[in-house]
Amino acid sequence: DTAVSQTPKYLVTQMGNDKSIKCEQNLGHDTMYWYKQDSKKFLKIMFSYNNKELIINETVPNRFSPKSPDKAHLNLHINSLELGDSAVYFCASRAAGGLKETQYFGPGTRLLVL
Amino acid sequence: GESVGLHLPTLSVQEGDNSIINCAYSNSASDYFIWYKQESGKGPQFIIDIRSNMDKRQGQRVTVLLNKTVKHLSLQIAATQPGDSAVYFCAENLASGTYKYIFGTGTRLKVLA
Repeated sequence: DTAVSQTPKYLVTQMGNDKSIKCEQNLGHDTMYWYKQDSKKFLKIMFSYNNKELIINETVPNRFSPKSPDKAHLNLHINSLELGDSAVYFCASRAAGGLKETQYFGPGTRLLVL
Repeated sequence: GESVGLHLPTLSVQEGDNSIINCAYSNSASDYFIWYKQESGKGPQFIIDIRSNMDKRQGQRVTVLLNKTVKHLSLQIAATQPGDSAVYFCAENLASGTYKYIFGTGTRLKVLA
């Protein structure tokens, strides 16, 4: 079973379109994240939710809107896509507290905006 | 902006040799550090972690060293294998109980046959 899954794996779309990426984790974790990885492999945190509550909101254009319907799911909706949004988007999850605070990453969604 | 490490270097090592990957972190308040391995087309995968109250931790074929004085982390891979070829990231957790992680820009490890 995949611990953190994302759909779709690939997404090719035209500039100006609206698209969504979905993430699900079956680890029972409380905290989920969205990261953006650019072409130079730099990983930048975008958002984090803990038990469906937004706890981290980095300097991200408001065209990006995360939604967490329950603590196992964190979706990312992007309005009016731009060329610069092309990147790999990773979802991750983490258990709350305890000694194990590492994150577990999904396989990524490769977004290409044309 | 915030960053751990400032560039993406490439390290080439011969198969069977030991590899050392370095990382400079920025925040002296960080108290938890993680090394991740990212293979081509996949998400980052946990390798080993270390807390700030330790200066060394060993796993299977991997060792992480932490030098808080100079804010430096290293990952040592013993007897490097072709399957170790990947991009390696260090990440810092800004303080216990916070949820934010800052990632370094990564190091590409190439294992030469």
